[in-house]
Amino acid sequence: GDSVTQMEGPVTLSEEAFLTINCTYTATGYPSLFWYVQYPGEGLQLLLKATKADDKGSNKGFEATYRKETTSFHLEKGSVQVSDSAVYFCALSASNTGNQFYFGTGTSLTVIP
Amino acid sequence: NAGVTQTPKFQVLKTGQSMTLQCAQDMNHNSMYWYRQDPGMGLRLIYYSASEGTTDKGEVPNGYNVSRLNKREFSLRLESAAPSQTSVYFCASIQKDRGGSYGYTFGSGTRLTVV
Repeated sequence: GDSVTQMEGPVTLSEEAFLTINCTYTATGYPSLFWYVQYPGEGLQLLLKATKADDKGSNKGFEATYRKETTSFHLEKGSVQVSDSAVYFCALSASNTGNQFYFGTGTSLTVIP
Repeated sequence: NAGVTQTPKFQVLKTGQSMTLQCAQDMNHNSMYWYRQDPGMGLRLIYYSASEGTTDKGEVPNGYNVSRLNKREFSLRLESAAPSQTSVYFCASIQKDRGGSYGYTFGSGTRLTVV
C-alpha cells in the first residue's frame, strides 16, 4: 500500500545551520507530495507541495524536490532559525484513491540560538 | 477568520463516557476529515466525508461514529470512551481541484484524555 517514511528525530541544530529531513515514499500511480509543519499546540499547516516529478516546492526558505527515480521528497533549508522549531510531516496524496493523505510519523526539529 | 474550528480544545473523560467532538469550516469545502495523532505514529485517518451526506471509514474507525450534518459541520462521536482513545484529534477540510488536490486546512486540535 501507499506509505511515507521520514527520518526519525528529534533533530537539534544550531541557528544558521543547514537542515535536511529525509522523506521517501511508496505509491502506485503518480502521487502529489507535501510537507506540513506543526508548531506547538497548533494544527498542521501546509509548508510546501509538489504535484509531479522534478517539481520543486518552496516556501519560507524551505525547499523540496519531487524525485521519482529515488522516490524521495527531502526537505531542506539553508539557514535555520529558532522560529523554525516545530514538527515536520511528509505526506502524499495518492492519485488513484481520491484525496486521502498518507502521513509520515513526523520529525521534531529544535533550533538553539 | 476563515478556517476550521474545533471544539472543545481539551477534554477529560472517564472510561465508558460518551462525547462528541465538533468541527466546522467556513471555506465551502466539500471534503472533511477526522484524524488522530499519537506519538511515533503520525496522523491516522478515522473517518472522512467526501461530500455532504456521505461518510466513509478510514484506517482506524473502530469505536467512533461521525455525522456530516451539513456542508460546514462534521462531528466525531465516541460512544463509550476507552483509554486507547486518548489522543489529539484533528479535523481538516479540503477542496479537490481538477488537477489533484490542495493541501488540507487543519483545525487546532482537541486533546482528549480518557482515564
